[in-house]
Amino acid sequence: GAVVSQHPSRVICKSGTSVKIECRSLDFQATTMFWYRQFPKKSLMLMATSNEGSKATYEQGVEKDKFLINHASLTLSTLTVTSAHPEDSSFYICSARDARLADNEQFFGPGTRLTVL
Amino acid sequence: AQSVTQLDSQVPVFEEAPVELRCNYSSSVSVYLFWYVQYPNQGLQLLLKYLSGSTLVESINGFEAEFNKSQTSFHLRKPSVHISDTAEYFCAVNERGGGNKLTFGTGTQLKVEL
Repeated sequence: GAVVSQHPSRVICKSGTSVKIECRSLDFQATTMFWYRQFPKKSLMLMATSNEGSKATYEQGVEKDKFLINHASLTLSTLTVTSAHPEDSSFYICSARDARLADNEQFFGPGTRLTVL
Repeated sequence: AQSVTQLDSQVPVFEEAPVELRCNYSSSVSVYLFWYVQYPNQGLQLLLKYLSGSTLVESINGFEAEFNKSQTSFHLRKPSVHISDTAEYFCAVNERGGGNKLTFGTGTQLKVEL
């Protein structure tokens, strides 16, 4: 089956620093990847849709200059949290859609736990 | 705009008992429906999905869900749960032609006890 990986799985950083999270589709090409944020005991909130070779589409209320998304290849998308602050601490999950499939299933990565001190 | 409601935030159940996790959706167009399961500190795994055809869909580990268009529901059921089924379950909807955007419910914590 389709596998999506995320790196790192866990990161702790100081306030004011930037953190990059990678999302890779391991055995398929993903023209579209999605970035979600999940707060404790809450549902997933879609942050942005990342399309290979073009600018990401951000959801309302998500700061695009704060959360930089790059989708440079068909198997890699990155999310950079710039000048991170404690309120950015969260569980970030990416998903990818297999370009070969006609349905709209998304395959999810294992998530990245970000803690900003 | 599409939306998903999971009325039960927590469902405690004894092992080997049946369980139903409720999911209702709202959409002005046809939809695809999904159930995902999330174990602690992990990402989401697809449990089952309804795209078209038979309204009853099944997973490999004994779960099933039935798409009911008139009631706009997609409830998840299992006739006999196991301790290992303890997890968070999310219902999600995607509007056909809606650009692949998934909308999730708030999740239901299934806790299976001995």
